[in-house]
Amino acid sequence: EVQLVESGGGLVQPGKSLRLSCAASGFSINDYAMHWVRQVPGKGLEWVSGITWNSDKTLYADSVKGRFTISRDNAKNFLFLQMSSLRPEDTAFYFCTKGYCSSVTCYPDSWGKGILVTVSS
Amino acid sequence: DIQMTQSPSSLSASVGDRVTITCQASQDISKFLNWYQHKPGKAPKLLIYDASHLEAGFPLRFSGSGSGTEFTFTISSLQPEDIATYYCLQYDNLPPTFGGGTKVEI
Repeated sequence: EVQLVESGGGLVQPGKSLRLSCAASGFSINDYAMHWVRQVPGKGLEWVSGITWNSDKTLYADSVKGRFTISRDNAKNFLFLQMSSLRPEDTAFYFCTKGYCSSVTCYPDSWGKGILVTVSS
Repeated sequence: DIQMTQSPSSLSASVGDRVTITCQASQDISKFLNWYQHKPGKAPKLLIYDASHLEAGFPLRFSGSGSGTEFTFTISSLQPEDIATYYCLQYDNLPPTFGGGTKVEI
């Protein structure tokens, strides 16, 4: 069974950094693109970032470009999101998702339960 | 970016009712649209892929149709366990973009 478990969320001050991790089990992430999607509490879903199976291509939403960095460790079956220069509008639940294939164009087919990041002073 | 307009934003129906949700894309996305089910506190689930293909494990009362710019998601007979928010997602163009969601209540 595919499982994705996010960690590393919490309360952080504006301008600070935070690193999210996603532990995958039940499959090898080596074969798949991976994405982060977020949801502001009470609002809709927003795609944040995606990475190809071998990390040769990464993509970001305009809202986080230059501040967030997606990366992966295929050997350890982990996905990461390094978030810097955080803003209050980055407050959201962050979901780790698995792409249905290896390209960054592959849509999410499995999701974690999400983790809350709160940016506030 | 492609804009996805989803309607209604919420609906209330009775058990056994037919429920229909629509998504309109700002440009032609062919069949590259998915529907997801999200229950509070749970991981969202892929429900329909490529506009009309039902994901394994979901009952046949769920269906999707459409192509180009107009898409429809239907629950033929609403059940209590279907209470959730449903989202469409286009993946024809990057970045992938979601509709605003439809909260389904009984």
